[in-house]
Amino acid sequence: QVQLQESGPGLVKPSETLSLTCTVSSGSIGNYYWSWIRQFAGKGLEWIGRIHTSGSTNFNPSLKSRLTMSVDTSKNQFSLKLNSVTAADTAVYFCARSLSSAAGEVQWDLWGQGALVTVSS
Amino acid sequence: DIQMTQSPSSLSASVGDGVTITCRASQSIRNYLNWYQQKPGKAPKLLIYATSNLQSGVPSRFSGGGFGTDFTLSISSLQPDDFATYFCQQSYSSPLTFGGGTKMEIK
Repeated sequence: QVQLQESGPGLVKPSETLSLTCTVSSGSIGNYYWSWIRQFAGKGLEWIGRIHTSGSTNFNPSLKSRLTMSVDTSKNQFSLKLNSVTAADTAVYFCARSLSSAAGEVQWDLWGQGALVTVSS
Repeated sequence: DIQMTQSPSSLSASVGDGVTITCRASQSIRNYLNWYQQKPGKAPKLLIYATSNLQSGVPSRFSGGGFGTDFTLSISSLQPDDFATYFCQQSYSSPLTFGGGTKMEIK
């Protein structure tokens, strides 16, 4: 069955750029919306943003100025870059899939296992 | 942003008990409310979407209800596998937001 796997550095220095990639295996990346969601140590969840395989994006306004997302359909991958990170960006980062972006239809039925990213010097 | 408030934040119950968790939105979200279950060290798992629709493979002891600002997740007879943390999430408007979670523990 389709699986998602996050990959990237587990440690990032303050003010640098956090980069993560999510690889979609055993299935196609096409025609879905791919989100990044993070979970803080206190267990709160925050939606970061999403990208469609067409390249269209929608970001959380609280992070928009620092965010870049991209998709590579030839590799079945999509990526996240968050610049100017601080300790407040330390979290477990999940990638997740939804079939739609329409209001009322965004639910994530498939998730990666999560990648812990620590921001520290 | 729409704020989602869950209660209680933690709950102790026994196997076989029926329990209900509440999620309140800061404004009307119609029926655009999803529920997830999360176990330690794992990703959240979609349980219910659009307030009351069970995701494929989810046992029928789970049910959801509500409309507008007030929603519930009920489990009719707790099983050992149900002890986990539950989150609600609104899909009415961007940015998509989650409740703070309800941790269900064995009494």
